[in-house]
Amino acid sequence: AQKITQTQPGMFVQEKEAVTLDCTYDTSDPSYGLFWYKQPSSGEMIFLIYQGSYDQQNATEGRYSLNFQKARKSANLVISASQLGDSAMYFCAMRGKVGNEKLTFGTGTRLTIIP
Amino acid sequence: DGGITQSPKYLFRKEGQNVTLSCEQNLNHDAMYWYRQDPGQGLRLIYYSQIVNDFQKGDIAEGYSVSREKKESFPLTVTSAQKNPTAFYLCASASGRAGNTDTQYFGPGTRLTVL
Repeated sequence: AQKITQTQPGMFVQEKEAVTLDCTYDTSDPSYGLFWYKQPSSGEMIFLIYQGSYDQQNATEGRYSLNFQKARKSANLVISASQLGDSAMYFCAMRGKVGNEKLTFGTGTRLTIIP
Repeated sequence: DGGITQSPKYLFRKEGQNVTLSCEQNLNHDAMYWYRQDPGQGLRLIYYSQIVNDFQKGDIAEGYSVSREKKESFPLTVTSAQKNPTAFYLCASASGRAGNTDTQYFGPGTRLTVL
């Protein structure tokens, strides 16, 4: 069984500072994918970044980067130079072996950017 | 513009009634998914479809039904058998290619309230 754990229910960060959102996972699959989504108050889930279990380098997408530590089973999201528009819920998710179509989600972290 | 649309945005239902939530995509994706989100929780998979005229149960399929008669459409019916249907419902689609890299993209969601 797959499991995603996000231990920070809420975080407050000053605008322009960097922020790290924690995500740990558990799976017995040797091949898996890790995803981060942003959910603003409007409700839509917005895809941010993807990391494959066999990727040699940490994924980056603009201000988003993923600190992937495979041995520790962690996939933390780093947002650099935070902006007011970054205030939202953030979800870590995992997809396992081929044929297992489910995305397993964590419970999310509510990030609030303070001006 | 390519994307996923869901309608209605808000839906109110009396107990004992069936309701159908619409999900349409013009991304030419083969795979489509329905998730349910309850307050303070991540998403849970209800049903998914990898190809037209075929669909599979997810983790919480009881009380729900789906159809996939067209590639673009994947409607979800919440039946009266669903014990606690009040929730936020999100539809997603993905290209359907094999492997863990297949990213799911989400619609704006439908908030269902049972009165």
